[in-house]
Amino acid sequence: GAGVSQSPSNKVTEKGKDVELRCDPISGHTALYWYRQSLGQGLEFLIYFQGNSAPDKSGLPSDRFSAERTGGSVSTLTIQRTQQEDSAVYLCASSLSGHLNFGPGTRLTVT
Amino acid sequence: DQQVKQNSPSLSVQEGRISILNCDYTNSMFDYFLWYKKYPAEGPTFLISISSIKDKNEDGRFTVFLNKSAKHLSLHIVPSQPGDSAVYFCAASVSGSSNTGKLIFGQGTTLQVKP
Repeated sequence: GAGVSQSPSNKVTEKGKDVELRCDPISGHTALYWYRQSLGQGLEFLIYFQGNSAPDKSGLPSDRFSAERTGGSVSTLTIQRTQQEDSAVYLCASSLSGHLNFGPGTRLTVT
Repeated sequence: DQQVKQNSPSLSVQEGRISILNCDYTNSMFDYFLWYKKYPAEGPTFLISISSIKDKNEDGRFTVFLNKSAKHLSLHIVPSQPGDSAVYFCAASVSGSSNTGKLIFGQGTTLQVKP
């Protein structure tokens, strides 16, 4: 079946602009996660959705970051007023009850 | 603070030999450990896991060993194949938490298996 998909695959934006990153999880997966990987670093947890609710937002680095999930499916991660330190690969993952299934990620470059 | 550490950024082995990837952790609350494999331009894929009640878990060519007293785990791949060339991430979690998908990852080790 189809895996987790993310769009865009690459995004270059100017410092100060807002960006939206999209995640389409595997159909039927109730849990959805956002992670990011900065250069040379491991994956860093950002936020967790169960259905449309986000019981754990502890990894969001600042109030410029927000995310929502609608219909228990698609999720959007929004970064406002982007900064150069936001440059990273943003990965989405979904699961039903087992291990995380990751998407290919969105590479964000802030110039 | 880095709760999960992979101190070797890279490893190169000959095809057919054993690959050993290492991982150390500091948080004694971690009780579930995973290894993920990542190819370029793809998301990480789950490889193998181990619960803290075990000290070894084997799946085909892949074996994970856990030494709780040393807070150390390792992934053994034998025999190594060129297709195993990828970045390997160690990850840890607290299984009884309300968010079991909140994994703490190491920095990754790039494995190159030479033909």
